[in-house]
Amino acid sequence: DAKTTQPPSMDCAEGRAANLPCNHSTISGNEYVYWYRQIHSQGPQYIIHGLKNNETNEMASLIITEDRKSSTLILPHATLRDTAVYYCIVRVVGSARQLTFGSGTQLTVLP
Amino acid sequence: DAGITQSPRYKITETGRQVTLMCHQTWSHSYMFWYRQDLGHGLRLIYYSAAADITDKGEVPDGYVVSRSKTENFPLTLESATRSQTSVYFCASSEPRTGRANEQFFGPGTRLTVL
Repeated sequence: DAKTTQPPSMDCAEGRAANLPCNHSTISGNEYVYWYRQIHSQGPQYIIHGLKNNETNEMASLIITEDRKSSTLILPHATLRDTAVYYCIVRVVGSARQLTFGSGTQLTVLP
Repeated sequence: DAGITQSPRYKITETGRQVTLMCHQTWSHSYMFWYRQDLGHGLRLIYYSAAADITDKGEVPDGYVVSRSKTENFPLTLESATRSQTSVYFCASSEPRTGRANEQFFGPGTRLTVL
């Protein structure tokens, strides 16, 4: 799995968009970008994934640069409940082995 | 939609005792995983299972035993608990056949303290 780099922490005002960056400069052509989050004391939760096109679901949007070396997870209207550690993971689709969680980004949504 | 459950949610035991953590999922997912998360650290894989009666070691398997006689259950046993096994244990499942192998669904966790 390609290595990812994320800032250790970020703050965001409630109601504003939270933009969480991830660098994955060594990503291969068959590797997808996955995002998970872990709210304090809970199990990690899948958010979204993508290959090269931008993706959107009910939780978030994922923007992947054209060269695929970086991506941004966007929470359009952050709430206090979005405070969590967000993990960016790169891996080949269909690889059913364990997920490797790095350090992630601690997002704190401020009232 | 019960999902994936773990029991007990909290457990305190003593060094040397045998402890079994239970994991149950209602989706009939073929893959199941056990991770541990130590304070301030990421998740590390203990064991995983690709199907009933098929298990394999992960990154930190020593001191643990698993079994999977039924698809929906994946118990984790600490044969002789040690203080270093104090941790939060997460069970997860996924179904590669749907093309969503990397979407793992996690249980709520079991917080284990070994005195």
